Amino acid sequence: DTGVSQDPRHKITKRGQNVTFRCDPISEHNRLYWYRQTLGQGPEFLTYFQNEAQLEKSRLLSDRFSAERPKGSFSTLEIQRTEQGDSAMYLCASSLGVFGGARNTEAFFGQGTRLTVV
Amino acid sequence: SQQGEEDPQALSIQEGENATMNCSYKTSINNLQWYRQNSGRGLVHLILIRSNEREKHSGRLRVTLDTSKKSSSLLITASRAADTASYFCATVAEYGNKLVFGAGTILRVKS
Repeated sequence: DTGVSQDPRHKITKRGQNVTFRCDPISEHNRLYWYRQTLGQGPEFLTYFQNEAQLEKSRLLSDRFSAERPKGSFSTLEIQRTEQGDSAMYLCASSLGVFGGARNTEAFFGQGTRLTVV
Repeated sequence: SQQGEEDPQALSIQEGENATMNCSYKTSINNLQWYRQNSGRGLVHLILIRSNEREKHSGRLRVTLDTSKKSSSLLITASRAADTASYFCATVAEYGNKLVFGAGTILRVKS
């Protein structure tokens, strides 16, 4: 097991283009999360999946954003018609179980995809 | 939106000194977690403290939690240059499904 991996690590795109990021979680983890982080800020929650079901989406996730997790394995995050305000680090994390349950559940993060929209 | 507020925003100390970072939050929690992030990298879990715990230790880390004041502190003892990073607290609501992060404290340890 090599941890959570994200691809690509860096992406530069022109405004208006579509981009897609991929996340491969730790194999036995049933929960997968997407966060966005801008410079000098903490990560902000975007959405999460339990297996293949997308259970919660943040208001930050406008209709230009879509995330999928087919077959409950890897996940993709697509941003359509990118804007300069979309420039950020997009972080993926996975966990085994619920954060707020009886077990001490922690998140395992990937290295992130840094998106620059020019 | 971010629930936790870290204090200070930035901290610069000499190697060997202790570093203390504080986190305040707004709503009731199930647990609070601290993460470290090296520049431009992903986050790494450091320690978790549950709402019914007051103090926890892990190596050179000591975390305290005061639920009456809705605050937590992270103490790193005998700091090393390798501790230079950003540190974030993250809260989990009761029956919560996600981590809600604060804005973080940037720690610089000078050798």
